[in-house]
Amino acid sequence: KNEVEQSPQNLTAQEGEFITINCSYSVGISALHWLQQHPGGGIVSLFMLSSGKKKHGRLIATINIQEKHSSLHITASHPRDSAVYICAPLDQGNLIFGKGTKLSVKP
Amino acid sequence: EAGVVQSPRYKIIEKKQPVAFWCNPISGHNTLYWYLQNLGQGPELLIRYENEEAVDDSQLPKDRFSAERLKGVDSTLKIQPAELGDSAVYLCASSLGPPAYEQYFGPGTRLTVT
Repeated sequence: KNEVEQSPQNLTAQEGEFITINCSYSVGISALHWLQQHPGGGIVSLFMLSSGKKKHGRLIATINIQEKHSSLHITASHPRDSAVYICAPLDQGNLIFGKGTKLSVKP
Repeated sequence: EAGVVQSPRYKIIEKKQPVAFWCNPISGHNTLYWYLQNLGQGPELLIRYENEEAVDDSQLPKDRFSAERLKGVDSTLKIQPAELGDSAVYLCASSLGPPAYEQYFGPGTRLTVT
């Protein structure tokens, strides 16, 4: 059973485009993390949010707890944004990781 | 400040052999996680420690996997004997506190079992 669904699974964009990655989950949660994984494996936490919206630079994350949905937006995308973006709701003390969305930004 | 350190970075072994992975978390981080990541998948929790106590090891295949964090600092994950299906990346992460806190990930150990 897939408790965390991300869409799209793969995304190719041109530099400068606005990017949206969606995450829907079926578990009851207290918070949700967005993480970035570059080729070679390194994972970096981008956001942890439990309500509303957060912004770091060109990245914006939103969450709707009632609808069990979160989105990650990237404004003015750049080739260095190319990575896998992973949604991970926090359920009963553990992160439940999605499979990730592979983003490729072309110059 | 040093990040989460893992060693080795890569390991190739034959099936039925034992293997061990080591993780040193960020100084002061009480919570330590071991994850397994298969290609194209998100990480899956194997075990979570708070200090030296394993608070969640429900997903750890205890017939062949074991872990320890004796002094509540660094940790070792062992597989004995390894099977072909154990080929994956083993990730260690740490955080200051409970899972709602930001987790910091190590570079991972890529295990290949032949």
